[in-house]
Amino acid sequence: DVKVTQSSRYLVKRTGEKVFLECVQDMDHENMFWYRQDPGLGLRLIYFSYDVKMKEKGDIPEGYSVSREKKERFSLILESASTNQTSMYLCASSEPGQGYEKLFFGSGTQLSVL
Amino acid sequence: AQSVTQPDIHITVSEGASLELRCNYSYGATPYLFWYVQSPGQGLQLLLKYFSGDTLVQGIKGFEAEFKRSQSSFNLRKPSVHWSDAAEYFCAVGALEYGNKLVFGAGTILRVKS
Repeated sequence: DVKVTQSSRYLVKRTGEKVFLECVQDMDHENMFWYRQDPGLGLRLIYFSYDVKMKEKGDIPEGYSVSREKKERFSLILESASTNQTSMYLCASSEPGQGYEKLFFGSGTQLSVL
Repeated sequence: AQSVTQPDIHITVSEGASLELRCNYSYGATPYLFWYVQSPGQGLQLLLKYFSGDTLVQGIKGFEAEFKRSQSSFNLRKPSVHWSDAAEYFCAVGALEYGNKLVFGAGTILRVKS
């Protein structure tokens, strides 16, 4: 089975800190995604990547950046965390040519910014 | 812009009763439609998907969904709900012209009472 692993289940940070959320997948998928999940808003796409060193903005990229130096790892970076970035962050991956046919999700990182 | 509406934020059904979760979408193109389920503390898991062909699709865990183009709907159904079905359910829509980007609904939380 595909496994998408997010490094932290819970994270507490202070306003202004630089935050790194890590995601690793073990199935050699080319496509990887970062979503944030908020009650009543569902999942919103922050960034996605088709390949190493490739990235595309999603619907809400402001305040975030990403890094994909290796195929299996996709990092989400909050340059200067703010309280409105308190949320559940979900990483996902999918196979090439099937961008949205089947997404495999990690268990999520609940980030609290104080 | 494309959008997905799940009109019901919460639904409570008795164990053994039938279930229908509603999903309406607004897309200018032929959509690809998905239902995902998120159990507490877990990532999202794909229940079923519709790309083309038969408008009634079968998924895992005894779920099915019907695509009705005239109503722009893709409602999820199950004839007899089990207590383990308690979770949050997300409808998602994509389209080829929008690339590898899914738009998710806000989710419906299903509670099952015994």
